[in-house]
Amino acid sequence: KQEVTQIPAALSVPEGENLVLNCSFTDSAIYNLQWFRQDPGKGLTSLLLIQSSQREQTSGRLNASLDKSSGRSTLYIAASQPGDSATYLCAALDNYGQNFVFGPGTRLSVLP
Amino acid sequence: EPEVTQTPSHQVTQMGQEVILRCVPISNHLYFYWYRQILGQKVEFLVSFYNNEISEKSEIFDDQFSVERPDGSNFTLKIRSTKLEDSAMYFCASSDLPGANVLTFGAGSRLTVL
Repeated sequence: KQEVTQIPAALSVPEGENLVLNCSFTDSAIYNLQWFRQDPGKGLTSLLLIQSSQREQTSGRLNASLDKSSGRSTLYIAASQPGDSATYLCAALDNYGQNFVFGPGTRLSVLP
Repeated sequence: EPEVTQTPSHQVTQMGQEVILRCVPISNHLYFYWYRQILGQKVEFLVSFYNNEISEKSEIFDDQFSVERPDGSNFTLKIRSTKLEDSAMYFCASSDLPGANVLTFGAGSRLTVL
């Protein structure tokens, strides 16, 4: 059964800093991995989707990497801004089903 | 940009009552999902739905839950007899091609069972 973990659980950084969020999954037989952003009391916004055949995806200041062999993905945020403050979730879609397995999230605070 | 819409945004109900949560997926999407998030916990998969039938469901999705696509646009989640532990945020999501493309979520329906 797929298990997804994320570290750190919470992170507080000053504005302008580059940062890395980590995601680990136990079963490397994944179809893809998706990073989401969740604002308090709100839904989930898709940030980046990495297919199993890909190594990384970029969107603006965000870069996500995927290493299936080690069961890891990272989300890199460049030049962080207060508006980036949110909870970031990673979710792995396995080859055996249609459901994403979510990690617990990293709660990010970017201080002005 | 196309979006998934959910109603109601918040529903309060008494234990034992039936609840229906509604979702309008993105119009050209064919795959539909319900997830839930109990306060402070992970987002959990409930059920996926394609071609008018359930394609996969989790162990959470017991006989108290059902899903339906009553017309060409709505996708509903029914909880027949709510329990206190059903209190959660329920998210609907849709996709045009599972795995290949992003999963688009709605803003969620917060269910509070008293």
